Amino acid sequence: SQTIHQWPATLVQPVGSPLSLECTVEGTSNPNLYWYRQAAGRGLQLLFYSVGIGQISSEVPQNLSASRPQDRQFILSSKKLLLSDSGFYLCAWVGRNTEAFFGQGTRLTVV
Amino acid sequence: TQLLEQSPQFLSIQEGENLTVYCNSSSVFSSLQWYRQEPGEGPVLLVTVVTGGEVKKLKRLTFQFGDARKDSSLHITAAQPGDTGLYLCGSGANSKLTFGKGITLSVRP
Repeated sequence: SQTIHQWPATLVQPVGSPLSLECTVEGTSNPNLYWYRQAAGRGLQLLFYSVGIGQISSEVPQNLSASRPQDRQFILSSKKLLLSDSGFYLCAWVGRNTEAFFGQGTRLTVV
Repeated sequence: TQLLEQSPQFLSIQEGENLTVYCNSSSVFSSLQWYRQEPGEGPVLLVTVVTGGEVKKLKRLTFQFGDARKDSSLHITAAQPGDTGLYLCGSGANSKLTFGKGITLSVRP
């Protein structure tokens, strides 16, 4: 069966520091992968999605970027974090019928 | 981008009560998913509905897909404190998967 791993679970970073969140998927090939950000207990904001290696679509122009160096690896990055980058970040892969399977999430606090 | 509207945004009820919540769009859904999310965790898939008029049951949860495939409802019978959480509906088109803002449900013992 497919599993999705996301780490770290929590992260506290100072303003201006870099960011790297990693997501990997097991048990499937060529998955569609997504990064979302969630504000305090509310809906999911789509940040980036990828349908294949090196293919990144950006939904929200901002301080973040994404990369897909391998088929089952999706990375969310920033060169310099802002206070407004704080939030709960979720990685997901999407199967048939657009069913999404999420990682455990990363709680990012920028201080 | 397909916009999904969920209502109500917040719901607080007593254990044992019944409730119905909604997910609506101005566009036709190819398929629609419902998820439940607990604090600090990722959403977990509950159900997928595909066919207009479809009804699916998951224990005390009943999911209905509108005939025109533009709306869906989730009915919970005899709610329990374990049903507490954020309920999200989601749908996708052209590789873009979007979600409603969610319904925060609190069931008081």
